[in-house]
Amino acid sequence: GDSVTQMEGPVTLSEEAFLTINCTYTATGYPSLFWYVQYPGEGLQLLLKATKADDKGSNKGFEATYRKETTSFHLEKGSVQVSDSAVYFCAIFKTSYDKVIFGPGTSLSVIP
Amino acid sequence: NAGVTQTPKFQVLKTGQSMTLQCAQDMNHEYMSWYRQDPGMGLRLIHYSVGAGITDQGEVPNGYNVSRSTTEDFPLRLLSAAPSQTSVYFCASTWGMNTEAFFGQGTRLTVV
Repeated sequence: GDSVTQMEGPVTLSEEAFLTINCTYTATGYPSLFWYVQYPGEGLQLLLKATKADDKGSNKGFEATYRKETTSFHLEKGSVQVSDSAVYFCAIFKTSYDKVIFGPGTSLSVIP
Repeated sequence: NAGVTQTPKFQVLKTGQSMTLQCAQDMNHEYMSWYRQDPGMGLRLIHYSVGAGITDQGEVPNGYNVSRSTTEDFPLRLLSAAPSQTSVYFCASTWGMNTEAFFGQGTRLTVV
């Protein structure tokens, strides 16, 4: 069945370091792709999304590009801040099943 | 603008007890979902609804019931609580499944 795989965490980075969180998916057709972020004690919030191949989603300095050929949607940020410490979830949606499928989440800690 | 409101925030139940987790949204969204979040497993879909009067099972529906009598409300019922249902529960709503999902702040449930 359709699924989402994310890199294992937790990830610990120093402030201003470069961030990459890998995400790959298994699905037929052209799902929409999302990154959600969960700050401590809160629910999930949409960070960015892309709906078709080669689209780039961006928000708050984070970027991810929809790569159909590698079925990937890796999240990147050039310079992380302490306030970016959170859990990041990759997710896919396909119209045919009306459901969003989430990856397991990657915990990020940024230290000063 | 309340968004998605979940109650209660915390709950402790004894094995065999029943209870209802409440979820309400004020955005006139058609789609609503319930997830549980467990360490290392990300978010798993319990039940979802594509409109008032319509519900369907997700990935882990056993032990839970839902109903959707109005657009605004989507309560989740635990019929006979078990320790395996100890988790954090999130309700989410969205206008269309290809658009941003809005999450409540979660209910932390412990079954002893």
